Amino acid sequence: EPEVTQTPSHQVTQMGQEVILRCVPISNHLYFYWYRQILGQKVEFLVSFYNNEISEKSEIFDDQFSVERPDGSNFTLKIRSTKLEDSAMYFCASSERQGATDTQYFGPGTRLTVL
Amino acid sequence: AQSVSQHNHHVILSEAASLELGCNYSYGGTVNLFWYVQYPGQHLQLLLKYFSGDPLVKGIKGFEAEFIKSKFSFNLRKPSVQWSDTAEYFCAVNHKAAGNKLTFGGGTRVLVKP
Repeated sequence: EPEVTQTPSHQVTQMGQEVILRCVPISNHLYFYWYRQILGQKVEFLVSFYNNEISEKSEIFDDQFSVERPDGSNFTLKIRSTKLEDSAMYFCASSERQGATDTQYFGPGTRLTVL
Repeated sequence: AQSVSQHNHHVILSEAASLELGCNYSYGGTVNLFWYVQYPGQHLQLLLKYFSGDPLVKGIKGFEAEFIKSKFSFNLRKPSVQWSDTAEYFCAVNHKAAGNKLTFGGGTRVLVKP
C-alpha cells in the first residue's frame, strides 16, 4: 500500500537556524498538508497546498514558515529561523482529492528538536 | 471555531475487554468525523470515518463508531480488544466551510495488557 514518507525522522537544530523538513506524498495525490504536535498537546493544522500554492494556512503558519513542492515528488516545510517553541513532531499528509470527506494519509512524522 | 475533546487521556485494560473512547466536538453545522490510530513507532492511520448515512460506522480491525448528532459525539468502540490494539487514538473533525483541515482531539493512549 502506498505511504507518505518523511525525512529525517529526527532533526536537532540550534535556535535561529533554518531547517527543511521533507515529505514524499502518495504519488497520485494532489493535496498536501502539514500538521504539528507539540509534546503533550494536540495535533494542529499548519497549512494545506494544492497546485503549487497555499490553499489555507493557520495562524501558526507565520512568515518564518514556507512550503514548496520543488519537484514532482517532494513537498517541503521550511522554518527560516527556528525558535525553541518550534520543537514538535511535524506530520505531512496528502489526499487524492480536495474535499472535506476525502481521507488524508499521514506520514510517520519528523521530530524537530530546537536547542 | 470548532474544537474536539477526548475525555480519556489514558486507558488501561486487559485483553478481551470492551473498549469505548469518547469524542465530542463543538460545531453546529454538518461535520465529517474521523478516528485515526497511531501504533507505537508508526504513522497515523485512518480507522474509520463518517460523512453521512448510517450513523453507525464500521472500520478496520473490528472498530466501530457511532455518530450521535444530538450529543455532538462520535465514540469509538471495540467489543473485545487485543494486545495489538495498544496505540494512541485520535478523533478528528472537519467541515466543508473550514476546508480540508482536520481539527484533532488530544488523543487517548490505550494500553492493552496481555
